[in-house]
Amino acid sequence: AQSVTQLDSHVSVSEGTPVLLRCNYSSSYSPSLFWYVQHPNKGLQLLLKYTSAATLVKGINGFEAEFKKSETSFHLTKPSAHMSDAAEYFCVVSDRRDRGSTLGRLYFGRGTQLTVWP
Amino acid sequence: KAGVTQTPRYLIKTRGQQVTLSCSPISGHRSVSWYQQTPGQGLQFLFEYFSETQRNKGNFPGRFSGRQFSNSRSEMNVSTLELGDSALYLCASSSGQPSSGANVLTFGAGSRLTVL
Repeated sequence: AQSVTQLDSHVSVSEGTPVLLRCNYSSSYSPSLFWYVQHPNKGLQLLLKYTSAATLVKGINGFEAEFKKSETSFHLTKPSAHMSDAAEYFCVVSDRRDRGSTLGRLYFGRGTQLTVWP
Repeated sequence: KAGVTQTPRYLIKTRGQQVTLSCSPISGHRSVSWYQQTPGQGLQFLFEYFSETQRNKGNFPGRFSGRQFSNSRSEMNVSTLELGDSALYLCASSSGQPSSGANVLTFGAGSRLTVL
């Protein structure tokens, strides 16, 4: 079975300091992993995805994530937070086994609300 | 090109009524999936359509249904509304073919349903 655990429901940082949002996953097969961001009253936007190429994945807006199979983790980082980064972030897993039969079934974590203080 | 468009953006219904939500995918995308987002349950998969066929369904009661048209536009319907159906309903589309396994979803802004 596929599942995602986001270890922090809320993270607060000061502008200009590093961001770390933690995610652990469980998947029976080689997973595809994603990070999505949701700003208030907006839909979900893809930040980055891992699909078994390089384990360090770079995304938009300076975010990156590292896939660590031994730790079943896919933590999201950014060297320097900006006020515009304040939003809710979702770690998502898609089981490769599902790919033959379905495109759209993703399993979402419960989200991490990022607050950025000036 | 235009993104995923969902209508209406906001609506208020009363218990027992039914509601239909619409989703227009990105031009050329043939896969449409629906998710329900609530504070209590988070984001949960409702169903997915590809070429007018439902390919997968989440764990929701039969009051939740959907369909896809030949132009890939999709609708979802909830009948006999309950208070617990109040949620943000998100539609997402994908360009990938099932065999390619490309499942990056582009989401719409959502339809926020309030049931009174």
